Amino acid sequence: SQQGEEDPQALSIQEGENATMNCSYKTSINNLQWYRQNSGRGLVHLILIRSNEREKHSGRLRVTLDTSKKSSSLLITASRAADTASYFCATDEKGSYIPTFGRGTSLIVHP
Amino acid sequence: EAQVTQNPRYLITVTGKKLTVTCSQNMNHEYMSWYRQDPGLGLRQIYYSMNVEVTDKGDVPEGYKVSRKEKRNFPLILESPSPNQTSLYFCASSLEGGKLFFGSGTQLSVL
Repeated sequence: SQQGEEDPQALSIQEGENATMNCSYKTSINNLQWYRQNSGRGLVHLILIRSNEREKHSGRLRVTLDTSKKSSSLLITASRAADTASYFCATDEKGSYIPTFGRGTSLIVHP
Repeated sequence: EAQVTQNPRYLITVTGKKLTVTCSQNMNHEYMSWYRQDPGLGLRQIYYSMNVEVTDKGDVPEGYKVSRKEKRNFPLILESPSPNQTSLYFCASSLEGGKLFFGSGTQLSVL
């Protein structure tokens, strides 16, 4: 079953704006990961945040995790047309270490 | 170069004709998994393997078989493909609890 659900399903912004997408999940987790997929290609890992962490940064990416609300957000700052892709969160239930994916957020960044 | 190699990239077949999609990783990962991706449904896990000779069903295992005779290989077998198995398939591998490395995908069409 799909543990994580991304929101919104689709997001359309202008280059230079920030993009925020959210992930909600149902059960306690070990880790939460964000992945990016360019159209029809394999997913590429962006960032992993552990359940005892609250925030992580990687370049223009900022991920937060709120385990009390069972939710995470991915912020892409100063977006570029090349950020156009689908973004997925993956969670693994505590004790399981088997990641399951949500349906993804489709991001379009207009030049 | 660390990678997951998946073949073929595209496959068109007819109902009932057995096929195998190969997956190989060169990172000595214990964990390997197969996903299918359909529009609006995100990635759904078909089967996974925690190590050699250890496989388990994911969310959508019906109509599929896998084997894990060697650590590096995890083929996906469709013994009697049907049109509802037309989909984009991904193989992935990781160390336990770590980031997943994905193959480039196999676009399968069953006529």
